[in-house]
Amino acid sequence: QQQVKQSPQSLIVQKGGIPIINCAYENTAFDYFPWYQQFPGKGPALLIAIRPDVSEKKEGRFTISFNKSAKQFSLHIMDSQPGDSATYFCAASRGGGADGLTFGKGTHLIIQP
Amino acid sequence: SQTIHQWPATLVQPVGSPLSLECTVEGTSNPNLYWYRQAAGRGLQLLFYSVGIGQISSEVPQNLSASRPQDRQFILSSKKLLLSDSGFYLCARSSGSGNEQFFGPGTRLTVL
Repeated sequence: QQQVKQSPQSLIVQKGGIPIINCAYENTAFDYFPWYQQFPGKGPALLIAIRPDVSEKKEGRFTISFNKSAKQFSLHIMDSQPGDSATYFCAASRGGGADGLTFGKGTHLIIQP
Repeated sequence: SQTIHQWPATLVQPVGSPLSLECTVEGTSNPNLYWYRQAAGRGLQLLFYSVGIGQISSEVPQNLSASRPQDRQFILSSKKLLLSDSGFYLCARSSGSGNEQFFGPGTRLTVL
């Protein structure tokens, strides 16, 4: 059972555009929702994270929108650059996160110059 | 700074051979530690986590095992590798507040 569904699987956007990646979760016990960026051959790097008590969080060019009633959250990348080309993963955890993260399957993002 | 080391970076092993991957963490005490596996083109799957020395929880039944002999050391092992064990193995630690997880550079394992 996949508890975090991520879409799209791949995405191509022109430089300066705003790619949007969506995730939906099933487990209402989840209370922490991070996004990770991964370059080929490297470990994932934490980008930004949100908790259900807020509907939006911005850090630099990255924004998370969160809809608790719909059990959905999304990542927006403003003014996208070719250097943002990477694989992005959403994830979720519960109760302090000691028992680990549940990941989506990832989105391969390409920003064309 | 808090750093995660993984060794080796890459490994090619024959089917049926043993495995030992090491993860060490610097700059923090009593971290929660995790092993994830990433198959080609797929997301990360949690394999094991540990909240302290000698404490291991398994998420997926398989021929892998984990051990935590020291506070900042986490080891992933197998007695006999299968072809399906190939993948990118990632060690992670959690922050003091619990939820934030930070990943190491990974070990690329190919089983032939």
